[in-house]
Amino acid sequence: DAKTTQPNSMESNEEEPVHLPCNHSTISGTDYIHWYRQLPSQGPEYVIHGLTSNVNNRMASLAIAEDRKSSTLILHRATLRDAAVYYCIRFYNNNDMRFGAGTRLTVKP
Amino acid sequence: EAQVTQNPRYLITVTGKKLTVTCSQNMNHEYMSWYRQDPGLGLRQIYYSMNVEVTDKGDVPEGYKVSRKEKRNFPLILESPSPNQTSLYFCASRSDRAPYEQYFGPGTRLTVT
Repeated sequence: DAKTTQPNSMESNEEEPVHLPCNHSTISGTDYIHWYRQLPSQGPEYVIHGLTSNVNNRMASLAIAEDRKSSTLILHRATLRDAAVYYCIRFYNNNDMRFGAGTRLTVKP
Repeated sequence: EAQVTQNPRYLITVTGKKLTVTCSQNMNHEYMSWYRQDPGLGLRQIYYSMNVEVTDKGDVPEGYKVSRKEKRNFPLILESPSPNQTSLYFCASRSDRAPYEQYFGPGTRLTVT
Protein backbone atom coordinates (compact mmCIF):
# COMPACT_ATOMS: atom_id res chain seq x y z
CA ASP A 1 0.00 0.00 0.00
CA ALA A 2 1.71 3.12 -1.26
CA LYS A 3 -0.58 5.40 0.78
CA THR A 4 -0.51 8.06 -1.90
CA THR A 5 -3.13 8.79 -4.53
CA GLN A 6 -2.35 10.07 -7.99
CA PRO A 7 -4.38 10.38 -11.18
CA ASN A 8 -3.74 7.48 -13.53
CA SER A 9 -2.89 9.70 -16.47
CA MET A 10 -2.49 13.28 -17.56
CA GLU A 11 -1.82 15.05 -20.81
CA SER A 12 0.09 18.18 -21.54
CA ASN A 13 1.16 20.19 -24.55
CA GLU A 14 4.81 20.70 -25.25
CA GLU A 15 6.28 23.92 -23.82
CA GLU A 16 3.42 24.31 -21.34
CA PRO A 17 3.60 23.87 -17.56
CA VAL A 18 2.38 20.63 -16.01
CA HIS A 19 1.04 20.22 -12.50
CA LEU A 20 1.02 16.64 -11.26
CA PRO A 21 -0.99 16.23 -8.05
CA CYS A 22 -0.51 13.74 -5.25
CA ASN A 23 -2.66 13.12 -2.22
CA HIS A 24 -1.02 11.76 0.94
CA SER A 25 -3.64 12.56 3.53
CA THR A 26 -2.27 10.15 6.18
CA ILE A 27 1.25 11.51 6.09
CA SER A 28 3.07 11.75 9.40
CA GLY A 29 5.31 14.55 10.57
CA THR A 30 8.61 12.94 9.66
CA ASP A 31 7.66 11.52 6.28
CA TYR A 32 9.49 12.88 3.28
CA ILE A 33 7.68 13.30 -0.03
CA HIS A 34 9.71 11.95 -2.91
CA TRP A 35 8.99 12.08 -6.62
CA TYR A 36 10.50 9.73 -9.15
CA ARG A 37 9.82 9.25 -12.81
CA GLN A 38 10.25 6.30 -15.12
CA LEU A 39 10.96 6.93 -18.76
CA PRO A 40 10.06 4.19 -21.23
CA SER A 41 12.36 1.17 -21.00
CA GLN A 42 14.35 2.63 -18.10
CA GLY A 43 14.53 2.31 -14.35
CA PRO A 44 12.94 4.99 -12.17
CA GLU A 45 14.98 8.12 -11.59
CA TYR A 46 14.85 10.60 -8.73
CA VAL A 47 13.19 13.93 -9.50
CA ILE A 48 12.79 15.86 -6.27
CA HIS A 49 11.91 15.55 -2.61
CA GLY A 50 10.57 17.75 0.17
CA LEU A 51 9.50 17.74 3.78
CA THR A 52 7.58 20.91 4.57
CA SER A 53 8.74 23.73 2.33
CA ASN A 54 8.42 24.13 -1.42
CA VAL A 55 11.50 22.97 -3.29
CA ASN A 56 13.07 23.74 -6.63
CA ASN A 57 15.77 21.99 -8.59
CA ARG A 58 16.91 21.85 -12.19
CA MET A 59 14.28 19.29 -13.11
CA ALA A 60 11.14 20.49 -11.37
CA SER A 61 9.48 22.26 -8.47
CA LEU A 62 7.62 20.67 -5.60
CA ALA A 63 4.80 22.52 -3.93
CA ILE A 64 3.69 21.06 -0.59
CA ALA A 65 0.38 22.01 0.97
CA GLU A 66 0.54 23.68 4.34
CA ASP A 67 -1.11 20.70 6.03
CA ARG A 68 1.21 18.37 4.06
CA LYS A 69 -1.69 16.20 2.96
CA SER A 70 -1.03 16.87 -0.68
CA SER A 71 1.72 18.00 -2.97
CA THR A 72 2.15 19.01 -6.60
CA LEU A 73 5.07 18.33 -8.89
CA ILE A 74 5.49 21.17 -11.35
CA LEU A 75 7.29 20.83 -14.66
CA HIS A 76 7.65 24.39 -15.82
CA ARG A 77 7.89 23.70 -19.54
CA ALA A 78 7.06 20.18 -20.59
CA THR A 79 9.13 18.62 -23.34
CA LEU A 80 8.56 15.40 -25.24
CA ARG A 81 11.35 13.91 -23.16
CA ASP A 82 9.26 14.44 -20.00
CA ALA A 83 6.74 11.82 -21.10
CA ALA A 84 7.00 9.22 -18.36
CA VAL A 85 5.26 7.67 -15.39
CA TYR A 86 5.62 9.92 -12.34
CA TYR A 87 5.55 8.40 -8.88
CA CYS A 88 4.80 10.25 -5.68
CA ILE A 89 6.10 8.41 -2.65
CA ARG A 90 5.60 8.88 1.03
CA PHE A 91 8.87 7.80 2.54
CA TYR A 92 7.77 6.86 6.00
CA ASN A 93 10.18 4.65 7.85
CA ASN A 94 13.54 5.11 6.21
CA ASN A 95 13.61 1.44 5.35
CA ASP A 96 10.96 1.14 2.74
CA MET A 97 10.11 3.11 -0.36
CA ARG A 98 6.79 1.93 -1.81
CA PHE A 99 5.72 2.84 -5.32
CA GLY A 100 2.08 3.13 -6.35
CA ALA A 101 0.80 3.07 -9.91
CA GLY A 102 1.93 6.61 -10.60
CA THR A 103 0.67 9.09 -13.20
CA ARG A 104 1.39 8.46 -16.84
CA LEU A 105 2.17 11.82 -18.42
CA THR A 106 1.69 12.21 -22.15
CA VAL A 107 3.22 15.27 -23.80
CA LYS A 108 1.75 16.30 -27.11
CA PRO A 109 3.82 18.20 -29.66
CA GLU B 1 29.88 8.18 -12.48
CA ALA B 2 27.42 7.13 -9.79
CA GLN B 3 25.59 4.06 -10.97
CA VAL B 4 23.83 0.82 -10.21
CA THR B 5 24.60 -2.01 -12.59
CA GLN B 6 22.67 -5.21 -13.13
CA ASN B 7 23.52 -8.34 -15.05
CA PRO B 8 22.23 -9.86 -17.16
CA ARG B 9 19.93 -7.32 -18.77
CA TYR B 10 17.88 -10.02 -20.47
CA LEU B 11 17.47 -13.65 -19.51
CA ILE B 12 15.29 -16.47 -20.81
CA THR B 13 15.35 -19.63 -18.75
CA VAL B 14 13.30 -22.70 -17.99
CA THR B 15 11.29 -23.63 -14.93
CA GLY B 16 13.41 -24.93 -12.08
CA LYS B 17 16.83 -23.86 -13.31
CA LYS B 18 18.52 -21.82 -10.61
CA LEU B 19 19.65 -18.35 -11.61
CA THR B 20 21.28 -15.30 -10.09
CA VAL B 21 20.86 -11.69 -11.11
CA THR B 22 23.75 -9.56 -9.94
CA CYS B 23 23.54 -6.00 -8.71
CA SER B 24 26.40 -3.68 -7.88
CA GLN B 25 26.60 -0.03 -6.83
CA ASN B 26 29.60 2.28 -6.67
CA MET B 27 28.25 4.91 -4.27
CA ASN B 28 29.06 3.19 -0.98
CA HIS B 29 25.37 3.12 -0.15
CA GLU B 30 24.22 1.22 2.90
CA TYR B 31 20.74 0.46 1.63
CA MET B 32 19.96 -1.73 -1.37
CA SER B 33 16.75 -3.31 -2.57
CA TRP B 34 15.15 -5.35 -5.32
CA TYR B 35 11.85 -4.60 -7.04
CA ARG B 36 9.83 -6.36 -9.67
CA GLN B 37 7.59 -4.54 -12.09
CA ASP B 38 4.58 -6.12 -13.73
CA PRO B 39 1.93 -4.55 -15.96
CA GLY B 40 -0.91 -3.16 -13.88
CA LEU B 41 0.87 -3.91 -10.60
CA GLY B 42 3.57 -1.27 -10.60
CA LEU B 43 6.84 -1.65 -8.70
CA ARG B 44 6.78 -4.06 -5.80
CA GLN B 45 9.62 -4.53 -3.39
CA ILE B 46 11.02 -8.07 -3.09
CA TYR B 47 13.82 -7.75 -0.53
CA TYR B 48 15.90 -5.01 0.94
CA SER B 49 19.15 -4.75 2.85
CA MET B 50 20.07 -2.03 5.29
CA ASN B 51 23.74 -3.00 5.39
CA VAL B 52 26.15 -5.90 5.05
CA GLU B 53 24.66 -9.14 6.42
CA VAL B 54 21.32 -7.43 7.12
CA THR B 55 18.44 -8.32 4.82
CA ASP B 56 14.68 -8.27 5.17
CA LYS B 57 11.59 -9.19 3.21
CA GLY B 58 9.65 -6.71 1.16
CA ASP B 59 6.12 -7.14 -0.13
CA VAL B 60 6.68 -10.11 -2.47
CA PRO B 61 9.62 -12.21 -1.21
CA GLU B 62 8.26 -15.70 -2.00
CA GLY B 63 10.48 -17.63 -4.38
CA TYR B 64 13.47 -15.30 -4.00
CA LYS B 65 16.62 -15.18 -1.93
CA VAL B 66 19.20 -12.45 -1.49
CA SER B 67 22.55 -12.05 0.18
CA ARG B 68 24.65 -9.05 1.21
CA LYS B 69 28.18 -10.19 1.86
CA GLU B 70 29.76 -6.99 0.58
CA LYS B 71 28.46 -3.47 0.71
CA ARG B 72 28.52 -2.92 -3.04
CA ASN B 73 26.80 -6.16 -4.15
CA PHE B 74 23.28 -7.44 -3.62
CA PRO B 75 22.49 -10.47 -5.81
CA LEU B 76 18.97 -11.78 -6.33
CA ILE B 77 18.71 -15.56 -6.41
CA LEU B 78 15.87 -17.61 -7.83
CA GLU B 79 16.47 -21.15 -6.61
CA SER B 80 13.70 -22.72 -8.68
CA PRO B 81 12.20 -20.16 -11.05
CA SER B 82 8.60 -20.48 -12.12
CA PRO B 83 6.68 -18.78 -14.95
CA ASN B 84 4.99 -16.40 -12.50
CA GLN B 85 8.42 -14.90 -11.86
CA THR B 86 8.57 -13.65 -15.41
CA SER B 87 8.96 -9.94 -14.85
CA LEU B 88 11.15 -6.86 -15.10
CA TYR B 89 13.48 -6.60 -12.13
CA PHE B 90 15.15 -3.48 -10.77
CA CYS B 91 17.90 -3.16 -8.23
CA ALA B 92 18.22 0.09 -6.30
CA SER B 93 20.50 1.67 -3.73
CA ARG B 94 20.48 4.75 -1.54
CA SER B 95 22.27 6.31 1.38
CA ASP B 96 20.75 5.88 4.85
CA ARG B 97 20.99 9.65 5.36
CA ALA B 98 18.72 12.39 4.05
CA PRO B 99 17.62 13.07 1.40
CA TYR B 100 17.56 9.30 0.76
CA GLU B 101 17.67 9.71 -3.00
CA GLN B 102 17.35 6.26 -4.53
CA TYR B 103 19.28 5.18 -7.61
CA PHE B 104 17.95 2.41 -9.83
CA GLY B 105 19.68 0.01 -12.13
CA PRO B 106 18.67 -0.36 -15.80
CA GLY B 107 16.55 -3.43 -15.18
CA THR B 108 16.69 -7.14 -15.96
CA ARG B 109 13.96 -8.64 -18.07
CA LEU B 110 13.46 -12.25 -17.04
CA THR B 111 11.35 -14.78 -18.89
CA VAL B 112 10.74 -18.19 -17.35
CA THR B 113 9.21 -20.77 -19.68
